[in-house]
Amino acid sequence: DGGITQSPKYLFRKEGQNVTLSCEQNLNHDAMYWYRQDPGQGLRLIYYSQIVNDFQKGDIAEGYSVSREKKESFPLTVTSAQKNPTAFYLCASSIDRASYNEQFFGPGTRLTVL
Amino acid sequence: GQQVMQIPQYQHVQEGEDFTTYCNSSTTLSNIQWYKQRPGGHPVFLIQLVKSGEVKKQKRLTFQFGEAKKNSSLHITATQTTDVGTYFCGTSYDKVIFGPGTSLSVIP
Repeated sequence: DGGITQSPKYLFRKEGQNVTLSCEQNLNHDAMYWYRQDPGQGLRLIYYSQIVNDFQKGDIAEGYSVSREKKESFPLTVTSAQKNPTAFYLCASSIDRASYNEQFFGPGTRLTVL
Repeated sequence: GQQVMQIPQYQHVQEGEDFTTYCNSSTTLSNIQWYKQRPGGHPVFLIQLVKSGEVKKQKRLTFQFGEAKKNSSLHITATQTTDVGTYFCGTSYDKVIFGPGTSLSVIP
């Protein structure tokens, strides 16, 4: 069964702790993306990667970091520098960097920082 | 940078009524993609429009791309409770830029 998996579905952390969100895809897609979703604000791009070992900052990269060591994996670390980390985080992938490709989304991780 | 706006932000309709959401940009768009996100779920791709004036239909959903390629609309005929969710438009360059979405509520 092909798709994108994100784990866990719900995550709780104490303020000041770094936390890493997992994103794995078995679609053989080159491009992967991380979005943050807050109520009423739609989807905001955090980071994206168009190829292994390469990634670019999106619109709201401050306080986040990523790595792309394998094609199928694109983990996101929410650092203690992120001022308002509580949000719904969505990972997505597309076939490649070409502009006309649809994005496939994972089920998301809802992060709550206490 | 490129931005897309959507109106309305929220829409409440009685089941059976029609619904339309609009997506607008100040710049010419290469394409428009539409996604639907059910409450508690993740966005799912619906359709892509590329040509000026293009109209595509999916059952009760009609998608249109403006002649100037600066706006798009999604029209749902005779809404059902299964249509509930947030509808996002987006345009892709090397990444998709999403509008803020229109949240649709359907009253049975």
